[in-house]
Amino acid sequence: GAVVSQHPSWVICKSGTSVKIECRSLDFQATTMFWYRQFPKQSLMLMATSNEGSKATYEQGVEKDKFLINHASLTLSTLTVTSAHPEDSSFYICSASPPLAGSVTQYFGPGTRLLVL
Amino acid sequence: GDSVTQMEGPVTLSEEACLTINCTYTATGYPSLFWYVQYPGEGLQLLLKATKADDKGSNKGFEATYRKETTSFHLEKGSVQVSDSAVYFCALTSYNQGGKLIFGQGTELSVKP
Repeated sequence: GAVVSQHPSWVICKSGTSVKIECRSLDFQATTMFWYRQFPKQSLMLMATSNEGSKATYEQGVEKDKFLINHASLTLSTLTVTSAHPEDSSFYICSASPPLAGSVTQYFGPGTRLLVL
Repeated sequence: GDSVTQMEGPVTLSEEACLTINCTYTATGYPSLFWYVQYPGEGLQLLLKATKADDKGSNKGFEATYRKETTSFHLEKGSVQVSDSAVYFCALTSYNQGGKLIFGQGTELSVKP
C-alpha cells in the first residue's frame, strides 16, 4: 500500500516556541493531504485539508493563524504550530490519498506526538 | 450531516473468541466505508474497506460487509489473537465530502491470553 511518513515522531518544546511537523507521501504524489489531531482515548478530529499550490481549508473552530499549513510540493505538507502552549499538546496525524481514479482511500502517517511544557 | 456510530468499548475477549464490533452510519449519497486499526502509540492503518453495497472487505482474518439496507458495516473476526489488541475505527467518506473521512469514536479491543 501507499506509504506516508511524518517527522518528527516526538517533539518536546517550551511554551511560546513554534514547532513544524512534516508529512510526506513516499511512493505517490498527493495533491491533497489531511491533518488530524487526536487526544488520548478519543477519535481523530480533522483540522484542515492541505491542497498543493493553494491555501489550506480549515475546519470550523481551528485557528488558521495558530496552525499554519503549507503544501509546497506534491509529496510534502507541513503543519506549523505557532506559539505553542500546553493545551496544544496532542497527537498529530496526517493522511493522503494516492491519485487513482475514483480512489477515496486515505493512508495515514505514523503520527507526531507533541508535548508543550 | 454524515456520521458514524460504533459500539462503545472497551471490549475484552479471551484469545480465540469471536469478535463483532458494530458500526452504523448515516450518509447522503453512496459512501465508501472503512475500518482502520490503531496500535498503541502509532498512527492508523487501513484494515479493510468496501466501496459499494454488498461488498465484503477482508484482511488478516477480519471481515466486514457493506449493508445498505441496515446502513451497517460491522467488523467480525472468528478467532482473535492477543496481537489484535488495538483501537478500531469505523469511517466513511463520499465524493461530496471532498475526500474527508468521518470517523466513529473508536472501539478499544483487549485480547487476553
